[in-house]
Amino acid sequence: DTAVSQTPKYLVTQMGNDKSIKCEQNLGHDTMYWYKQDSKKFLKIMFSYNNKELIINETVPNRFSPKSPDKAHLNLHINSLELGDSAVYFCASSRPIEAQYFGPGTRLLVL
Amino acid sequence: DQQVKQNSPSLSVQEGRISILNCDYTNSMFDYFLWYKKYPAEGPTFLISISSIKDKNEDGRFTVFLNKSAKHLSLHIVPSQPGDSAVYFCAASPVTGTASKLTFGTGTRLQVTL
Repeated sequence: DTAVSQTPKYLVTQMGNDKSIKCEQNLGHDTMYWYKQDSKKFLKIMFSYNNKELIINETVPNRFSPKSPDKAHLNLHINSLELGDSAVYFCASSRPIEAQYFGPGTRLLVL
Repeated sequence: DQQVKQNSPSLSVQEGRISILNCDYTNSMFDYFLWYKKYPAEGPTFLISISSIKDKNEDGRFTVFLNKSAKHLSLHIVPSQPGDSAVYFCAASPVTGTASKLTFGTGTRLQVTL
């Protein structure tokens, strides 16, 4: 029943590791997004895909690589994790020029 | 440079009264505006939106007002209920293409007291 789901919900890892976060939506939306909420609770867009094509790519280190195997999935792979990557990562999806619907978030802690 | 600002970090309102949350923006390219509610440990939940061709949109207890000349929008919740206690985020986007690049404010924590 969950419209936008993310796994895992919590992720604790060591600096230098590589990790992935998965996102799936069952709303039939063509567009999916990744957002980062930092320690100051500021929510900022990172990437957006439309029908598996990258259309928004904000100033994000290239250690972050989104991958969209199909339009219902948008995964986020992070290489060489750093302390500053600790944050909550939210996936979202939408139809064009409509409200975005968010997943529950993945809490990443890099030690 | 914060293009969307919510200057009140918190607001406390009695149950049954009106809650008014405010938001200011600086980017004149924004023409689609949204309010989201967020509970702890959950993702933001869409509440209500308004496009720049309107100055008011209403959905049940929630009304959003847009003043384009002042670059200001507000969310009114009437009557406020304890379940409305949450952090409210204002967001804005230019209307272009297939994706909305939402810019969020920093949020206002609303507490509705009994």
